[in-house]
Amino acid sequence: AQTVTQSQPEMSVQEAETVTLSCTYDTSENNYYLFWYKQPPSRQMILVIRQEAYKQQNATENRFSVNFQKAAKSFSLKISDSQLGDTAMYFCAFMKRQGAQKLVFGQGTRLTINP
Amino acid sequence: EPEVTQTPSHQVTQMGQEVILRCVPISNHLYFYWYRQILGQKVEFLVSFYNNEISEKSEIFDDQFSVERPDGSNFTLKIRSTKLEDSAMYFCASSEFANAYNEQFFGPGTRLTVL
Repeated sequence: AQTVTQSQPEMSVQEAETVTLSCTYDTSENNYYLFWYKQPPSRQMILVIRQEAYKQQNATENRFSVNFQKAAKSFSLKISDSQLGDTAMYFCAFMKRQGAQKLVFGQGTRLTINP
Repeated sequence: EPEVTQTPSHQVTQMGQEVILRCVPISNHLYFYWYRQILGQKVEFLVSFYNNEISEKSEIFDDQFSVERPDGSNFTLKIRSTKLEDSAMYFCASSEFANAYNEQFFGPGTRLTVL
């Protein structure tokens, strides 16, 4: 079975700062995807960024980038030039590449961007 | 932009009562999912559904739970006889295809409170 762990329940930074959210996972699978989802207050979860395990290059989406360390089973999210709208709950998630299409989530990190 | 919608946003029920949670997936999506999040815990997969059949279900999804696509637009989760421990946020999701590359789009959730 897969597990995903987010060790930071809450984080808080000032607007325009860079923040890194941590995620570790455990799996015996070799082919899988990792995701970061964002859930703003009272809104639905939306996908921020995804990483395919067989790709060595770290995924980037505008101000969001990941640091994927496959051997260490680590998948952190970096938010550059943070904005007030980045305030949200962030979930790290895992999915096997083949077979079951269920997402396995971490506990979440509540990120607050202060003005 | 198309969104997954869920009704009601909050449901309060007495223990032992039946509840039906409703979801309207994105119209061209073929794969549907239910997840739940007990307060303070991880988001957990319950069930996936395709072509009017359950594709996969978790250990949580016992005989008290059922899913249905009663018409071309709605996707429902029924809990036959609610227990206190069913109190949680229930999220519906849908995707166009069932592979890890395809994003699952989430609804805003239904908060179920069992008294």
